[in-house]
Amino acid sequence: NAGVMQNPRHLVRRRGQEARLRCSPMKGHSHVYWYRQLPEEGLKFMVYLQKENIIDESGMPKERFSAEFPKEGPSILRIQQVVRGDSAAYFCASSPVQGSNQPQHFGDGTRLSIL
Amino acid sequence: DAKTTQPNSMESNEEEPVHLPCNHSTISGTDYIHWYRQLPSQGPEYVIHGLTSNVNNRMASLAIAEDRKSSTLILHRATLRDAAVYYCILRANAGGTSYGKLTFGQGTILTVHP
Repeated sequence: NAGVMQNPRHLVRRRGQEARLRCSPMKGHSHVYWYRQLPEEGLKFMVYLQKENIIDESGMPKERFSAEFPKEGPSILRIQQVVRGDSAAYFCASSPVQGSNQPQHFGDGTRLSIL
Repeated sequence: DAKTTQPNSMESNEEEPVHLPCNHSTISGTDYIHWYRQLPSQGPEYVIHGLTSNVNNRMASLAIAEDRKSSTLILHRATLRDAAVYYCILRANAGGTSYGKLTFGQGTILTVHP
């Protein structure tokens, strides 16, 4: 079974441009989570989605960031008008169901660099 | 979320067992204890989880103290590929939207010497 697929693996944007990060969860997984890892910092939760619904966006910056997980297709994390501080590794994880005893399966991330 | 405390770093020799400790004195009765690891340039990888009893899987063992205020991840024979940052995470039981997320601390950097 294919794991969580994220693309692109590396993305370079200039300040002010838009960045779109894609995440295809494992087959049969309907729960998706996005995390961000800033340079020299730990992983921070951003948003949790379940097919077409945002369940928890408590970690999302209030402006410029949005996420979706449509009925068909991958989950998308969108960053508008990127700034240097958005440079980070963005990881997506998925699980088949929700529950505190359920592991999350991670992709290898998208490394976003802002020029 | 209840907090965990781990040593910043540990070292081991290849082929030797490694015991990675984690303190979680404020754990609640229904919190699960999860361990993940992150190899360089990769996403986190699930290792093991447990609630009260010790657990074993193909990757590791998890020993949970009787009072659940601490736990130890055991790698029975370390290999060079086990060099990673190991995270001990408490997950609250279902009952609110916050139980979906994983709260990562700084973890323990494990160095394995040949």
